[in-house]
Amino acid sequence: DGGITQSPKYLFRKEGQNVTLSCEQNLNHDAMYWYRQDPGQGLRLIYYSQIVNDFQKGDIAEGYSVSREKKESFPLTVTSAQKNPTAFYLCASRRRGAIQNIQYFGAGTRLSVL
Amino acid sequence: KNEVEQSPQNLTAQEGEFITINCSYSVGISALHWLQQHPGGGIVSLFMLSSGKKKHGRLIATINIQEKHSSLHITASHPRDSAVYICAVLSNFGNEKLTFGTGTRLTIIP
Repeated sequence: DGGITQSPKYLFRKEGQNVTLSCEQNLNHDAMYWYRQDPGQGLRLIYYSQIVNDFQKGDIAEGYSVSREKKESFPLTVTSAQKNPTAFYLCASRRRGAIQNIQYFGAGTRLSVL
Repeated sequence: KNEVEQSPQNLTAQEGEFITINCSYSVGISALHWLQQHPGGGIVSLFMLSSGKKKHGRLIATINIQEKHSSLHITASHPRDSAVYICAVLSNFGNEKLTFGTGTRLTIIP
């Protein structure tokens, strides 16, 4: 079945460590997104990519990095510069070109700091 | 003030009750989405609206563009409807970015 796969489901980070969250989609979507969700707050956009080999910062990009080397993959690295990484991270994708094209979401990765 | 406000934040109701969740926004939009987030965290899209009303099963979504307001209604609510319902707007600036409300946590008691 087509969809978005995020892994791992749970991730623990030690102080000073970089960790990478995986996001893979087989929907042939051009655009991919990373969001962060904190309790009591709406989803906030970290990075997005409209096309392979191109990506833009979202509203809270500091302390994060991404790559888009393949259409189906958009990994997110949480660097040691991100001082408050504990959150729920959601990846999404959509077909570009029409406002009717909805975003499809993965099941999320919950990141905690040890 | 957030660009997208939802009310109520939490809602508990008895099975069978008619449910209304509201969303107000302050920016120009090209579309509004209603999303459902289950306890495990996964999110599914329920509706995308740019005008009028849409119905899918027991769910009805309406939007009033002039008043910058949308409602999500659930008829004959059931415990399996318990979830967080999120409103998100797509701005009309052409950047295809969504702005999300903080969500309404709905609990339906059997």
